[in-house]
Amino acid sequence: EADIYQTPRYLVIGTGKKITLECSQTMGHDKMYWYQQDPGMELHLIHYSYGVNSTEKGDLSSESTVSRIRTEHFPLTLESARPSHTSQYLCASSELRGGYTFGSGTRLTVV
Amino acid sequence: AQRVTQPEKLLSVFKGAPVELKCNYSYSGSPELFWYVQYSRQRLQLLLRHISRESIKGFTADLNKGETSFHLKKPFAQEEDSAMYYCALSDHNNDMRFGAGTRLTVKP
Repeated sequence: EADIYQTPRYLVIGTGKKITLECSQTMGHDKMYWYQQDPGMELHLIHYSYGVNSTEKGDLSSESTVSRIRTEHFPLTLESARPSHTSQYLCASSELRGGYTFGSGTRLTVV
Repeated sequence: AQRVTQPEKLLSVFKGAPVELKCNYSYSGSPELFWYVQYSRQRLQLLLRHISRESIKGFTADLNKGETSFHLKKPFAQEEDSAMYYCALSDHNNDMRFGAGTRLTVKP
């Protein structure tokens, strides 16, 4: 079934560790996005991509980085996790026009 | 600059009562407006978009360019409508800007 998948669903990790949050979509969408959201709060765009080898930073400054080597894959990496990175991370994708399809999110806790 | 404002963080109504979630926007071009919904422990999902002019789960939203508003309405709220609702605006690149969200609680 065409969808967007995020793993892991929950992650608890120690300060200083390197982490990668995975996001893959099987809808053939060119555009993909990463949002940071504290539960029930505003969504903040941190990264987006219009296609392979295209990545841009969003409105909210983030220490994370992203890559887009394949159309379907848009992973987000934190080189050194800190407690301030504790949040929920949502991945989304879209066609050229129209609404976004969101993944289930990764809830990250850095201890 | 594009901006989406949802003036109410919390909204509570009784079952069967009408509900209106407010959304105002600012955008210099021709906007495309959306409503997204996030039920408890579910992913954020598209509810409706203004160009579709459709009713989803009894909800409708009309784009009022004069008042720059896109309020979400339902004549008779149900308990299962309790959720977080986000208004969003997309520009010509389909880059979406979201409002801060309104938490709707429908009481029995």
